[in-house]
Amino acid sequence: GAVVSQHPSRVICKSGTSVKIECRSLDFQATTMFWYRQFPKQSLMLMATSNEGSKATYEQGVEKDKFLINHASLTLSTLTVTSAHPEDSSFYICSAPGTSGWNEQFFGPGTRLTVL
Amino acid sequence: DQQVKQNSPSLSVQEGRISILNCDYTNSMFDYFLWYKKYPAEGPTFLISISSIKDKNEDGRFTVFLNKSAKHLSLHIVPSQPGDSAVYFCAASANFGNEKLTFGTGTRLTIIP
Repeated sequence: GAVVSQHPSRVICKSGTSVKIECRSLDFQATTMFWYRQFPKQSLMLMATSNEGSKATYEQGVEKDKFLINHASLTLSTLTVTSAHPEDSSFYICSAPGTSGWNEQFFGPGTRLTVL
Repeated sequence: DQQVKQNSPSLSVQEGRISILNCDYTNSMFDYFLWYKKYPAEGPTFLISISSIKDKNEDGRFTVFLNKSAKHLSLHIVPSQPGDSAVYFCAASANFGNEKLTFGTGTRLTIIP
């Protein structure tokens, strides 16, 4: 199956700093990627849809100026958490749709962000 | 508004027996449903899916059943194995293709040896 990687897997930062998370599709191209966050013992919540060559689409309640998304190429999307605060601490996961035409999204391993 | 619900946060099943995980949805526009398995600190792994034109899909030990009138789907795992212990999420989407997924809250399955 398709492989999606994320980097870093874990990051700890001070409050007020910015953190960049990379999501790559390793063996296929993805014009669309999705960013989710998961709080402990909760579901995965879609934050935004990353579109190659155009602006990301954000879900209701997600601040686009705080969570900057850049879909730089057909294999790379980045999520930057700007001016991070402790409440941004979460597990961030990206996904990319497969090429079968069905919604078999392939997920990255996730990034654990801890803001001190 | 939780459009996809998994009402059992946890389930314990004896090894070798059948595990049945349930999922309910409210949005009648959903027409494609998926089950994912997730280990701690890892991304979800796709297990099996079903489209609304079917009521059953089987893949090895995994079978998904869809009852459209009841807006209910279930995942059956038989026989259950210790490696099946994980959190299982059901997810739904509207329109086939590269559409965003709405996830349920997950069920933690523990297989007892």
